[in-house]
Amino acid sequence: GAVVSQHPSWVICKSGTSVKIECRSLDFQATTMFWYRQFPKQSLMLMATSNEGSKATYEQGVEKDKFLINHASLTLSTLTVTSAHPEDSSFYICSAGGQALSGYTFGSGTRLTVV
Amino acid sequence: AQSVTQLGSHVSVSEGALVLLRCNYSSSVPPYLFWYVQYPNQGLQLLLKYTSAATLVKGINGFEAEFKKSETSFHLTKPSAHMSDAAEYFCAVRLAGANSKLTFGKGITLSVRP
Repeated sequence: GAVVSQHPSWVICKSGTSVKIECRSLDFQATTMFWYRQFPKQSLMLMATSNEGSKATYEQGVEKDKFLINHASLTLSTLTVTSAHPEDSSFYICSAGGQALSGYTFGSGTRLTVV
Repeated sequence: AQSVTQLGSHVSVSEGALVLLRCNYSSSVPPYLFWYVQYPNQGLQLLLKYTSAATLVKGINGFEAEFKKSETSFHLTKPSAHMSDAAEYFCAVRLAGANSKLTFGKGITLSVRP
């Protein structure tokens, strides 16, 4: 089945630094990638939708200059958290869409801790 | 706009007992409905999906769900709970069409007692 590889699984960074999270579709072309944020014991909150070769569409309230999304190829999308602060600590999950009738395939998530 | 409602935040059952996790949806057009499971610090795994074919949908790990339009429901069931079923379960809805975004319910934590 379709697999999305997400790296890193966890990362600890200092406040003020930037962190890049990668999601790769391993055996299919992901024309669309969704990026979610999940707080403990809560549901997934959609941050943005990225389409290969075009600018990402951000949900209301999500800072596009802080959460930079790049979808330069059909198999790779990245999320960069710029100038991270402790309040950015969260679980970030990507999801790739490739088929209209399928439930989307999710990456394994990245636990970001900003200290 | 479409939405899903998952009542309650926690369900506890005994091992071997019936599992019933409720989900109600709201959508102005026929929706696609999904159930996902999430284990701690992991991504989401698709359990099953309804995409306007058979109303009774069978998924992985013995789970199934029935789409009931008259009740706007898509409840998840499993006849006999196993310890390994303990996890977070999310119901989700999206419109038909390629790459439309998923809208998630708030999730339900399933605990299984020995």
